[in-house]
Amino acid sequence: AQSVTQLGSHVSVSEGALVLLRCNYSSSVPPYLFWYVQYPNQGLQLLLKYTTGATLVKGINGFEAEFKKSETSFHLTKPSAHMSDAAEYFCAVTPGGGKLIFGQGTELSVKP
Amino acid sequence: DTEVTQTPKHLVMGMTNKKSLKCEQHMGHRAMYWYKQKAKKPPELMFVYSYEKLSINESVPSRFSPECPNSSLLNLHLHALQPEDSALYLCASTRTGDETQYFGPGTRLLVL
Repeated sequence: AQSVTQLGSHVSVSEGALVLLRCNYSSSVPPYLFWYVQYPNQGLQLLLKYTTGATLVKGINGFEAEFKKSETSFHLTKPSAHMSDAAEYFCAVTPGGGKLIFGQGTELSVKP
Repeated sequence: DTEVTQTPKHLVMGMTNKKSLKCEQHMGHRAMYWYKQKAKKPPELMFVYSYEKLSINESVPSRFSPECPNSSLLNLHLHALQPEDSALYLCASTRTGDETQYFGPGTRLLVL
């Protein structure tokens, strides 16, 4: 069965610092992988996704993620944090068939 | 355009009330989803409609009744809810052949 583990339920960085949110998955089939962001009292917004092809994926708002099959990881990074990046981030995997399996989420705080 | 709309934005209801949540998308997506999300938790899948037919029901109590009148519209009828049903209800949709789910802004439900 597929599963997703996000390391760290809460990550705090200073404005301008590197953002690194960790995601590891288990999947018996080639996965589709996603990162979503959720701002307070809003829905989930797609940041980026990996399906096939290039393993370094660029998304919106300056975020990117690298699919590493050997490490079963899909970590999210951003070179320089902005105050507006403060939100909840969810990593998700789908084996297909309409089900998304989410990690528990990581709350990102950005300090001025 | 990847817009999914949901109404109402907020809803307060008593345990004896009947209410409905509405979700709309005009992107030609043929699969639509209902999720329930509690605070600080990932979304939990409730129902999936594919080509207007219910394809997945995640053992949701019968006080939640989904309906898909046409390919653009998804309703969730609520009756005799419990206070523990208070949550953010999210709708999502996907296009055929793509596993990427696009989420609406959600309806914040409070059951008194």
